[in-house]
Amino acid sequence: GAVVSQHPSRVICKSGTSVKIECRSLDFQATTMFWYRQFPKKSLMLMATSNEGSKATYEQGVEKDKFLINHASLTLSTLTVTSAHPEDSSFYICSARDQAAGNTIYFGEGSWLTVV
Amino acid sequence: DQQVKQNSPSLSVQEGRISILNCDYTNSMFDYFLWYKKYPAEGPTFLISISSIKDKNEDGRFTVFLNKSAKHLSLHIVPSQPGDSAVYFCAAGSGNQFYFGTGTSLTVIP
Repeated sequence: GAVVSQHPSRVICKSGTSVKIECRSLDFQATTMFWYRQFPKKSLMLMATSNEGSKATYEQGVEKDKFLINHASLTLSTLTVTSAHPEDSSFYICSARDQAAGNTIYFGEGSWLTVV
Repeated sequence: DQQVKQNSPSLSVQEGRISILNCDYTNSMFDYFLWYKKYPAEGPTFLISISSIKDKNEDGRFTVFLNKSAKHLSLHIVPSQPGDSAVYFCAAGSGNQFYFGTGTSLTVIP
């Protein structure tokens, strides 16, 4: 079964609004979670590394004020897309590292965001 | 600059034969490597990993080989099955930085 749960799996929002995506590690604690975005026919693009109890580390070119990441507990990280625009429409995927299992990284099921 | 490369965008293999997917990386500091399988509109599914202290890791039909001097890893699937048809991503990194290749679409022909 899934060890990392992502919610919602699909969301449609109006341009200018904000939307939050949750990533939960179900049976392990994750001090580190990752957020990715996938463009059509492209690879997964690492957006940021989410660290429990501290600020996220953003990759170059990713707007930290637009993609707010919060890692408030050892099992939950959230990505909030603020003031969404149609170009933010994409497939967002989170992953979490299980340090107790040899640092294996497990992925969530992904979230389709459509901004209309 | 792509730190992890999968130079073959697609691969077709007959059912029962071996599938070999290749991956190259540029950073010699990378010490952990993973392979994922991905179906459309789903998150990647973890397949197998290997750390830099090993050169081979086997799990059922899946074997990953690591050649550190060449900065190259490969995934062998044998025997290949139609259900293996998917996009396969390799990832490499260390610490908190992991990078993915662009994926190889594997088609196993019945």
